[in-house]
Amino acid sequence: DVKVTQSSRYLVKRTGEKVFLECVQDMDHENMFWYRQDPGLGLRLIYFSYDVKMKEKGDIPEGYSVSREKKERFSLILESASTNQTSMYLCASSFGGAVPAYGYTFGSGTRLTVV
Amino acid sequence: EDKVVQSPLSLVVHEGDTVTLNCSYEVTNFRSLLWYKQEKKAPTFLFMLTSSGIEKKSGRLSSILDKKELFSILNITATQTGDSAIYLCAVRSNFGNEKLTFGTGTRLTIIP
Repeated sequence: DVKVTQSSRYLVKRTGEKVFLECVQDMDHENMFWYRQDPGLGLRLIYFSYDVKMKEKGDIPEGYSVSREKKERFSLILESASTNQTSMYLCASSFGGAVPAYGYTFGSGTRLTVV
Repeated sequence: EDKVVQSPLSLVVHEGDTVTLNCSYEVTNFRSLLWYKQEKKAPTFLFMLTSSGIEKKSGRLSSILDKKELFSILNITATQTGDSAIYLCAVRSNFGNEKLTFGTGTRLTIIP
């Protein structure tokens, strides 16, 4: 069964900490995405990557960075966590080029609380 | 900038009711519209709509697209408590690499 795995389901961090959210996919997908999901705001794209070592800013990249050293792994980094980064973070992946008919494959999400 | 708006943001109905969820969009180079259901975990795919006026149906769920008026609706008949979820609308566009733009989501709660 193909899947996208996010390393943590729930995470609590302190303000100012450096936070790593990991995402691994086993489908040999070229594209990987990080979204955050907040009530009333839907899914907002933070960063995405179309290939290893490539990254592009999404709609809300401020306060975040990413790393894609291997095709299967896409990491989201909060350099200095702040309370306004408390959110649900969803990782997704897809094949390159045309988006498949079913869209993206999503991970189960990481609910991050910054205190 | 591509934009997808869903309404209502939340909805509470009794089991057995019929609900209609709305999705309107403004995107460049529209390709298709997708609906997802998200319970406590990953969003799961429901429908993809490409052509206007052709209804997609799966059990009690159905959806239709209007490309002239730039919206889609998702209908759920005879609702059950298992239908409680966030329903996400996403639009696939082609600007360079293809991408999905997601809407705000509708949180549906079914009361027994």
